[in-house]
Amino acid sequence: EPEVTQTPSHQVTQMGQEVILRCVPISNHLYFYWYRQILGQKVEFLVSFYNNEISEKSEIFDDQFSVERPDGSNFTLKIRSTKLEDSAMYFCASTSDWTSGAQGETQYFGPGTRLLVL
Amino acid sequence: TQLLEQSPQFLSIQEGENLTVYCNSSSVFSSLQWYRQEPGEGPVLLVTVVTGGEVKKLKRLTFQFGDARKDSSLHITAAQPGDTGLYLCAGKNSGGSNYKLTFGKGTLLTVNP
Repeated sequence: EPEVTQTPSHQVTQMGQEVILRCVPISNHLYFYWYRQILGQKVEFLVSFYNNEISEKSEIFDDQFSVERPDGSNFTLKIRSTKLEDSAMYFCASTSDWTSGAQGETQYFGPGTRLLVL
Repeated sequence: TQLLEQSPQFLSIQEGENLTVYCNSSSVFSSLQWYRQEPGEGPVLLVTVVTGGEVKKLKRLTFQFGDARKDSSLHITAAQPGDTGLYLCAGKNSGGSNYKLTFGKGTLLTVNP
């Protein structure tokens, strides 16, 4: 069964350093998302991406964050200058299309990247 | 700001018991998704409901979407230790944002053998 994959599974970095989190969405999916989950808290939306541009972003997704789809398969999240409070699990998700019904509504999540900023 | 309230937050039961967990909001959702999440892993989709009043079954799990599409429930029959985990509901907005999922905090279920 197709699945979303993410690399690395764990990343430790120093405060102020740049990190790039990578995702390979499910092939033929068109909509891509990043979410984060701080330890013990709920999953929070960061950004959605469609047709090579951001379609929506949350207040968390400030100028330190950027997303890119550099080729036909990868989807990346860059944090330019990490802060301690960026420590969290980061999840990538994808959706096939917007045809009506359950399939078009469903977001499939990857296993996550655990980011620790020291 | 949309909120999804899940209850109970924690539930510990014995193997073989039935249980229901709830997901409630004052907002209307175009769809609602239930996920199960293990520690340190990503949410794994269980079901998506899109029609008010819809009922979906997945083996011993029964999901219902409220008529007004503001709430949902998950009922597990004859729970087994393998059902232990964090159950999350997540709603997609019916107006305004068309992209993001709003998550509840989850119900942490423990099924004791």
